[in-house]
Amino acid sequence: DTAVSQTPKYLVTQMGNDKSIKCEQNLGHDTMYWYKQDSKKFLKIMFSYNNKELIINETVPNRFSPKSPDKAHLNLHINSLELGDSAVYFCASSQVSGGTQETQYFGPGTRLLVL
Amino acid sequence: AQKVTQAQTEISVVEKEDVTLDCVYETRDTTYYLFWYKQPPSGELVFLIRRNSFDEQNEISGRYSWNFQKSTSSFNFTITASQVVDSAVYFCALSEGDNYGQNFVFGPGTRLSVLP
Repeated sequence: DTAVSQTPKYLVTQMGNDKSIKCEQNLGHDTMYWYKQDSKKFLKIMFSYNNKELIINETVPNRFSPKSPDKAHLNLHINSLELGDSAVYFCASSQVSGGTQETQYFGPGTRLLVL
Repeated sequence: AQKVTQAQTEISVVEKEDVTLDCVYETRDTTYYLFWYKQPPSGELVFLIRRNSFDEQNEISGRYSWNFQKSTSSFNFTITASQVVDSAVYFCALSEGDNYGQNFVFGPGTRLSVLP
């Protein structure tokens, strides 16, 4: 019944480790996104995927790599985790119709803490 | 470049008071979309409203209302008779009318505390 789901909800890990966050949407949307929310609540878009193509790639470190096996999934893989990566990561999806930006619906967030 | 300003960092009101959250945006596009999202203490982001630049009609949904004024580039959000459950961070967002969320920008958020 959940529209956009993410796993895990919490992730605590050591510096230097590699981790992945999974995202799935059952809304039939064609575009998915990853956002990072820092401790001051600022939300910044990291990536978006449309029909398996990376559409935007903001100035995030290349340690972050989105992977989309199909249009219902967009996973986020992070290599060599650093302390500054600690944040809440949100997945979102929307239907992009003829260039119109439809509403983005968000997952519950993954709280990542790097020790 | 597009920009969203929410000048009020934090607001506190007493239950049953009305409160207005301000949002001012900047864009060079004539086609754009404005959004409000709510983030309660539990952390999820909840969609509240979407408005396109060609529709300046104000909207009311229960205790919530939105005032869109292109002349002042504002899209303000009013909660009438506030309740403790309205306590949350509220984000205004702007998307320009091109493709794939490339220009989807959030404001810094306004933290609303409704006291009993």
